[in-house]
Amino acid sequence: QQQVKQSPQSLIVQKGGISIINCAYENTAFDYFPWYQQFPGKGPALLIAIRPDVSEKKEGRFTISFNKSAKQFSLHIMDSQPGDSATYFCAARAGNYGQNFVFGPGTRLSVLP
Amino acid sequence: EAGVAQSPRYKIIEKRQSVAFWCNPISGHATLYWYQQILGQGPKLLIQFQNNGVVDDSQLPKDRFSAERLKGVDSTLKIQPAKLEDSAVYLCASSARLAGPYEQYFGPGTRLTVT
Repeated sequence: QQQVKQSPQSLIVQKGGISIINCAYENTAFDYFPWYQQFPGKGPALLIAIRPDVSEKKEGRFTISFNKSAKQFSLHIMDSQPGDSATYFCAARAGNYGQNFVFGPGTRLSVLP
Repeated sequence: EAGVAQSPRYKIIEKRQSVAFWCNPISGHATLYWYQQILGQGPKLLIQFQNNGVVDDSQLPKDRFSAERLKGVDSTLKIQPAKLEDSAVYLCASSARLAGPYEQYFGPGTRLTVT
């Protein structure tokens, strides 16, 4: 119940294309869903986050789509750029107290020039 | 503002040896976290501090891992004795407060190799 599943494990996209990464969860107590971006040799950095009371959140080229009934959420990267090549982690947290995030296993994105 | 600092960046030790990692969070951040990130996996929380008190250490292997944040600022994570399966990147993160969706800021991590 504490797991967050993430797919695909790796993704190759052409420059200008759309990158889509999917996550699924079981624990209905999860109420905050961030996405992190991690470059080699760096720690993860928050990219965008959503709460389950909205179905979509967009920030620039990055969009989270959230399906509460299916317990799934996804990250869409529009107009993907080579600089977006990184590992992306979805995460989830239960409750408003504490920051104990459960992370997905990650998706390695490569954007070809 | 300066980010989360960690040292050393890399460490290679033999199994059964001990090792310590240091973390200095962002100034003023009350909450500090240690994560273990095994290659190809997402970070897993080991321990969470609020000031100098432990909030959650349920996933810390307490027979070999210990952590402290004595003055509520910087923190040390120790492994003694190390096992091969401890090879991972150890990430430190901090956030301004414990409650609410406050962003966690991660340090660059310490890559530990146990041979």
